[in-house]
Amino acid sequence: GAGVSQSPSNKVTEKGKDVELRCDPISGHTALYWYRQSLGQGLEFLIYFQGNSAPDKSGLPSDRFSAERTGGSVSTLTIQRTQQEDSAVYLCASSSGLAGSLDTQYFGPGTRLTVL
Amino acid sequence: GQQVMQIPQYQHVQEGEDFTTYCNSSTTLSNIQWYKQRPGGHPVFLIQLVKSGEVKKQKRLTFQFGEAKKNSSLHITATQTTDVGTYFCAGSGGSNYKLTFGKGTLLTVNP
Repeated sequence: GAGVSQSPSNKVTEKGKDVELRCDPISGHTALYWYRQSLGQGLEFLIYFQGNSAPDKSGLPSDRFSAERTGGSVSTLTIQRTQQEDSAVYLCASSSGLAGSLDTQYFGPGTRLTVL
Repeated sequence: GQQVMQIPQYQHVQEGEDFTTYCNSSTTLSNIQWYKQRPGGHPVFLIQLVKSGEVKKQKRLTFQFGEAKKNSSLHITATQTTDVGTYFCAGSGGSNYKLTFGKGTLLTVNP
């Protein structure tokens, strides 16, 4: 079946511009995560959505970052007034949401963001 | 907050040699997961450990969860070039959903 998809796969933008990154989770998965991975680094948790519950935004690095999840499915991560330090791979993952932290997370291919 | 440390950061081996990566948490974990990320790819789930002292094997890979549930290891026997990639551990403590990832160990294998 279809896995997690993300678009665009690559995004080059100029400093100060806004960008939107999209994630389509696996159908039926209620949990959705956004992570950021800088070159040679681990995965930095950004935000978590579970069903209709209020999202956990504790990992968002600044108020320039926001995310939405419409209809419990597709999610959009928005970065406003991008800065060069925002350059990274942004990974989305989804899980069934049935067993919480015991769930397997399925990752998308990521969006490589480059801010010039 | 919870911190998960992994060592070594890099490991280069000759094909056929063994490889081990270690994961240590600042707090007791309820479970730990391991993921592999191939160069240019995305993390892929390998396994999950839940019980204290648990050992699981997948062919040449052996995963252990410490008795105190604060550390874990992944051992690969007789590495192959297909083992190349970054291995991440990810642990969950009190949260019922959030995983904290280590920075990973990049394994390179010389054929």
